[in-house]
Amino acid sequence: AQKVTQAQTEISVVEKEDVTLDCVYETRDTTYYLFWYKQPPSGELVFLIRRNSFDEQNEISGRYSWNFQKSTSSFNFTITASQVVDSAVYFCALSEGGTGNQFYFGTGTSLTVIP
Amino acid sequence: DAGVIQSPRHEVTEMGQEVTLRCKPISGHNSLFWYRQTMMRGLELLIYFNNNVPIDDSGMPEDRFSAKMPNASFSTLKIQPSEPRDSAVYFCASSFLVVGTGELFFGEGSRLTVL
Repeated sequence: AQKVTQAQTEISVVEKEDVTLDCVYETRDTTYYLFWYKQPPSGELVFLIRRNSFDEQNEISGRYSWNFQKSTSSFNFTITASQVVDSAVYFCALSEGGTGNQFYFGTGTSLTVIP
Repeated sequence: DAGVIQSPRHEVTEMGQEVTLRCKPISGHNSLFWYRQTMMRGLELLIYFNNNVPIDDSGMPEDRFSAKMPNASFSTLKIQPSEPRDSAVYFCASSFLVVGTGELFFGEGSRLTVL
């Protein structure tokens, strides 16, 4: 079974629209870490955020915000007022505390922002 | 600060040839990962090292693949002999693990094409 599910394969929005990328994870560990990465067309993987399982506070960084809900095992990512530069593939990842550095990546959501 | 450095950025080779990919992690990081990315399989963990010791190589496809980390600042991933199905982007990533899980910092990737 997939430990990280990103059900949205591709999303297209018009510039300035808000968009939410969904991430659902599965783990039995009480200690775990969640991540989002961005992969722009140039190909590199850029770290965006890390959250641990004990910190459910939502986080905002500029136009980016993250909603972590343990009750639904979700860690969703919202981009407000999207821009063309946000066009990329976004990956959600899970690392379980018991397995140390084993990372499980979702299959990614390809976001296209249309000018 | 220099990020994770990978070489070569692009490699085109013929089936049966030996391929060596190189990685220099971020200075001070104690964990190093090799990932492979393809359209079909997404991001796959091949192997990771902690303090230069291989911890989990269960993702290495077969005996044709080998990885070494002779010191804290250098790692290689070797494919011998290469096959067309090995064509992919190979990413190296490093992190600093003390307690819990550190975020991964990725190199720009090595795009391998095996003809």
